[in-house]
Amino acid sequence: GAGVSQTPSNKVTEKGKYVELRCDPISGHTALYWYRQSLGQGPEFLIYFQGTGAADDSGLPNDRFFAVRPEGSVSTLKIQRTERGDSAVYLCASSLGPSDSAEAFFGQGTRLTVV
Amino acid sequence: TQLLEQSPQFLSIQEGENLTVYCNSSSVFSSLQWYRQEPGEGPVLLVTVVTGGEVKKLKRLTFQFGDARKDSSLHITAAQPGDTGLYLCAGAHAGNNRKLIWGLGTSLAVNP
Repeated sequence: GAGVSQTPSNKVTEKGKYVELRCDPISGHTALYWYRQSLGQGPEFLIYFQGTGAADDSGLPNDRFFAVRPEGSVSTLKIQRTERGDSAVYLCASSLGPSDSAEAFFGQGTRLTVV
Repeated sequence: TQLLEQSPQFLSIQEGENLTVYCNSSSVFSSLQWYRQEPGEGPVLLVTVVTGGEVKKLKRLTFQFGDARKDSSLHITAAQPGDTGLYLCAGAHAGNNRKLIWGLGTSLAVNP
C-alpha cells in the first residue's frame, strides 16, 4: 500500500482479554515505531524497531505489553490481560532508515476500547 | 511530568486572523518537529528544526526554533478554515533521536 496501514481501525474488548494490533509499514521502511495516544494527550512513545530487532522498548508501560516484527516488515503489538486504562489510540509509524532526519509516516491508528 | 508545554491548548479564531502557538521546555532538544493531526488520522509532519534560531516557512506557516533549542513557535498568517486541526510539537534529545517527546497539542478551529 501507499501508506502505513493499521488493523483493526477499532477494537472493543473486555477487561482481562488479550488483543493484537497489526501494523503494515510502508514498503522498504526499515524503522517502525509504536505510540499510544490517549484522549486529549500527545502521542506517547512505546517501542522502536530497526529491522527485526527492538532497538528501544523503554516506553512499554509494563510486561503486559509486547511487540514483535519477525520479518522486519509487519509488526504486531500484543497486550495481555487488558485493563480499562489501556484504552487509547495506538499509532504506528515507519521511516525509511535509521537516519535521524528520515521522516516518520503515521498510520491512522487503532482505537482500542477496554470495557 | 510534561516535558513539552504547548500553549494555548485550545484556540478558536475567525478566518483571516493571525495566530501563534508556543512549545516550551526546560530541556534542550537536538531537534524539534511540528505535526498536524486531523480527527481519526495519524499526525503528519510539517517541519523539522535543528539549529538554534532557525526559521522555516511553509506557505503561511512560519516555524522558529529558540536560540537555546528549548522552545519553538508556530505562526500562521491569515488563517483559513482548512488550517483547522490539532498541532503537535515533538522534541528529540541528542543520542536518542528516535524517541520523540510530545506536547499535548493545540486544538485550532478557524471559523469561516
